[in-house]
Amino acid sequence: NAGVTQTPKFQVLKTGQSMTLQCAQDMNHNSMYWYRQDPGMGLRLIYYSASEGTTDKGEVPNGYNVSRLNKREFSLRLESAAPSQTSVYFCASNAGSVNTEAFFGQGTRLTVV
Amino acid sequence: QKEVEQNSGPLSVPEGAIASLNCTYSDRGSQSFFWYRQYSGKSPELIMFIYSNGDKEDGRFTAQLNKASQYVSLLIRDSQPSDSATYLCAVTGSQGNLIFGKGTKLSVKP
Repeated sequence: NAGVTQTPKFQVLKTGQSMTLQCAQDMNHNSMYWYRQDPGMGLRLIYYSASEGTTDKGEVPNGYNVSRLNKREFSLRLESAAPSQTSVYFCASNAGSVNTEAFFGQGTRLTVV
Repeated sequence: QKEVEQNSGPLSVPEGAIASLNCTYSDRGSQSFFWYRQYSGKSPELIMFIYSNGDKEDGRFTAQLNKASQYVSLLIRDSQPSDSATYLCAVTGSQGNLIFGKGTKLSVKP
């Protein structure tokens, strides 16, 4: 049982380059999330998708776009990467109701130079 | 904006001692509370969740919730060096997303 799978695990980009982080879950979860984690800042929500076909902004959405491709997949796109987007990115999913835990992918360590 | 506050630590305890981790939250309407453990370079993994006032025990871990004081804690009994990690407190937002504190780094010394 794979759970939540993210690709790639590591990436180095030059300023201005674009890339897409991929996330897939096999738990039939309704909701999926993208967080970034920076030293001293904790996990901050970028975007989320409460159900297939819907997406909403989180706390720090600027510079990012997302696509909920189907129930399993939720991608995060950086159109023009900036050094401030250097971070560790986590995808997570849960059943979507208030009292359910979130499961996390293994993370993507992104460096923008 | 809902907020979750934790002491960043580091919290250092000797092996075998009780580690006490604390968390406060701003939204009095919050219903669900989670403790995640995160080892360096790894993703967060769930330790415990609690929804009702009082204590909830699972092995060496006890979560305590006091909604009147907007306070949730995690006690780790018989702490082991393998418990050394960052502990993240989280509450559920209105859309089911988790709102995290910045985490408390725990170090258990042999």
